[in-house]
This record gives sequence, structure tokens and C-alpha cells, in this order.
Amino acid sequence: GEDVEQSLFLSVREGDSSVINCTYTDSSSTYLYWYKQEPGAGLQLLTYIFSNMDMKQDQRLTVLLNKKDKHLSLRIADTQTGDSAIYFCAESMDTDKLIFGTGTRLQVFP
Amino acid sequence: EAQVTQNPRYLITVTGKKLTVTCSQNMNHEYMSWYRQDPGLGLRQIYYSMNVEVTDKGDVPEGYKVSRKEKRNFPLILESPSPNQTSLYFCASSHQGTEQYFGPGTRLTVT
Repeated sequence: GEDVEQSLFLSVREGDSSVINCTYTDSSSTYLYWYKQEPGAGLQLLTYIFSNMDMKQDQRLTVLLNKKDKHLSLRIADTQTGDSAIYFCAESMDTDKLIFGTGTRLQVFP
Repeated sequence: EAQVTQNPRYLITVTGKKLTVTCSQNMNHEYMSWYRQDPGLGLRQIYYSMNVEVTDKGDVPEGYKVSRKEKRNFPLILESPSPNQTSLYFCASSHQGTEQYFGPGTRLTVT
């Protein structure tokens, strides 16, 4: 069955880069997403990548996809305290159903 | 403003007392979905609806019901809540195949 895994915690210093990793099992995934959840709030879509792409960059965010290893990563450059949140990766196939990872709690310290 | 709204935002109830969490979207989206979020488990889909009068089970449907009588509304019904349904619930909507918009969440505690 489908499974998406992430490490639970990541702590970085302000100004450094953060890299959040995700592995998935279903090779038929069409889209892979990164969502951000701030305390007490819903999920906000940060970025997504089609499965036929290797990389996508959007300002401070870089998504890398390694289809062979079924590995997805999100790099946040120049991490700020406002980036502290839970980050979820998610996959979907040709439907609207999202399969979420467990979430990675990013803590940014001064 | 395009949004998904949920009510209530917080609810504490007792075992067995029927409750309904409402979800409404103003974007004319066909697809709506309910998720529950639990620590260490991420978000899991409870039910979804592809359009009016079309609903189907997600991964964890036991103990829940839904209805989709109108396009904008997708209420989640717990006929007889139990403590293991204590969780954070999210409603989401989208046009098929596009970005899903999430509501702000409903934190439910069943004692």
C-alpha cells in the first residue's frame, strides 16, 4: 500500500538552510506536495512537483525529486523564525486523494 | 475571499452524544474531503466526495458519516463519538486535479 515517511523533528539555526526529507513507496505517484502547518492553523500548500520533474525552485524553496529512490526533499534557504512549523509531504496519483507523511516539525532558533 | 470554513473550531463532548462538524466552501469546488490529524500519523482521509450526492470512504471511515446534499457543504457526522475519535479534523476542497484548500481545523475532544 501507499506509505509516506518523514523524520519527526529538525532543528536549525536562523540563516542556515533547512532540508526536510520524505520517502514514499508508490512509484505511480503523479504529484508530490509540500504543505506547511503553522500552530493552530490549517495546511498551506507551499509547492508541488510533477513526477516527471527532478527539481523545482521557487524563491527560497527548492524541491528535489529522486524517482529511483522514491525520495523527495524540501530545502529552505536562509531559514527564518517564521519558517518554524510542521511540514508535510504528500503524494497523489491521478485522483484528488492525498497521502500524507507524518510531518516534520521544524524549529528555528536564533 | 476564497475559503473553507469549519464549525465549530473547538468542541469537547461526551461519549455517545451525536455531533456534527460543518464544512463549507465558497469556491464552487467539486471535490471535498475530511481528514483527521493525529500525532505521529500525519493526516488520514476519512471520507471524500467527488460531487453532489457522491461520497466514498477514505482510509479511516469507521465511526463517521458524511453527506453532500449541496455543492458547498460537506458535514462530518459522528453518530456515537468515542474517545478514540479525539483528534484534529480538517476539511479540504478543490477543483478536480488542482490544489486542495484546507479549512482551519476543528479540535474535538471526546471524554
